[in-house]
Amino acid sequence: AQKVTQAQTEISVVEKEDVTLDCVYETRDTTYYLFWYKQPPSGELVFLIRRNSFDEQNEISGRYSWNFQKSTSSFNFTITASQVVDSAVYFCALSETVLNGLTFGKGTHLIIQP
Amino acid sequence: SQTIHQWPATLVQPVGSPLSLECTVEGTSNPNLYWYRQAAGRGLQLLFYSVGIGQISSEVPQNLSASRPQDRQFILSSKKLLLSDSGFYLCAWSVRGAYEQYFGPGTRLTVT
Repeated sequence: AQKVTQAQTEISVVEKEDVTLDCVYETRDTTYYLFWYKQPPSGELVFLIRRNSFDEQNEISGRYSWNFQKSTSSFNFTITASQVVDSAVYFCALSETVLNGLTFGKGTHLIIQP
Repeated sequence: SQTIHQWPATLVQPVGSPLSLECTVEGTSNPNLYWYRQAAGRGLQLLFYSVGIGQISSEVPQNLSASRPQDRQFILSSKKLLLSDSGFYLCAWSVRGAYEQYFGPGTRLTVT
């Protein structure tokens, strides 16, 4: 069975600090996909990134970066120079097949204080 | 570009009343469609998914049902709501064969 664990329920930092959101996953499949979504106060989930299990290259997009390590089954998300607009709940998710939907972690509530 | 709509945005219903939530997708054909529920303080749980008209798969046993009467329309229903049905319901779509899903604005349901 697949499982996603986001151990950090809530993180609060001051603006401009760097912050890392942890994600640990469990799966028996060798082929799988990992995702990060952002949920602002409005509620709509915004897709941030998808990684497949065969690509362990880290990815950077502006202030966002993702570190995928199969050896530790982790897919961590770092925001550099955080801004107040980054305040949201962030979800990590896993998919083993294209049909069965996504398995989500319980989310990390990120609070960026001005 | 593709757009996903959900309505109503909020809903307050008494226990035992029926439910109908609607989701429509624009700008794409033959999407996979999904219903998720987010209970307070919890993650998202997949309820139903559909790969085509009339084809519904259920992930968890419950008093909810789903239907897909048209290619880009997905409906979540219940004959009699329970208090435990309260939550935030999100519809999502994906391109056939793709893994990333795109979510609608959600419906916040409160059962009283």
